[in-house]
Amino acid sequence: DAGVIQSPRHEVTEMGQEVTLRCKPISGHNSLFWYRQTMMRGLELLIYFNNNVPIDDSGMPEDRFSAKMPNASFSTLKIQPSEPRDSAVYFCASSHSSAQSYGYTFGSGTRLTVV
Amino acid sequence: GQNIDQPTEMTATEGAIVQINCTYQTSGFNGLFWYQQHAGEAPTFLSYNVLDGLEEKGRFSSFLSRSKGYSYLLLKELQMKDSASYLCAVLLGGNNRLAFGKGNQVVVIP
Repeated sequence: DAGVIQSPRHEVTEMGQEVTLRCKPISGHNSLFWYRQTMMRGLELLIYFNNNVPIDDSGMPEDRFSAKMPNASFSTLKIQPSEPRDSAVYFCASSHSSAQSYGYTFGSGTRLTVV
Repeated sequence: GQNIDQPTEMTATEGAIVQINCTYQTSGFNGLFWYQQHAGEAPTFLSYNVLDGLEEKGRFSSFLSRSKGYSYLLLKELQMKDSASYLCAVLLGGNNRLAFGKGNQVVVIP
């Protein structure tokens, strides 16, 4: 298995532009998580899906952020419009809800810079 | 809210032993994980504890006391490649959700 695949690895965009981050989870995993990591706040959970259904989006900072999971093999996190304070590393992770002791597998992350 | 505390940084010498502590106060507990994260990379799974006691896995051991809300990760025979951030994470009740501490940066010096 290729693991959790995220794209792009790096994104530099101007304030006000739309940004879309993509994630392909491990085949067979039924839980998917989007995290944001900054020096100040560490890893923060933004939203997670169980069987493609959003379960908890209370970590999404504001209405500028949205996430979708149209099928079991693909998810997107969109920021519109982007702001400099959104600059961070965004990680996608997946797991199987019946194998909790194995934890999550993280993708390589997308480093977002908004200028 | 969830409160997971770790010291921010420590320095240790190659070949030594280092203990990284984690205290937690969370709404629900289904286990505690330790992850390793090298600079610029993704976190990777190290260990999982759900019962009190020590779990040993090679050079790494992890301890849990549920009554005290406390865990530690023990790294033995430190190597230069062990320089990384070590993240403590609590599996909350319900929907398989992990809450992370901010991580402890370990710097290994020759």
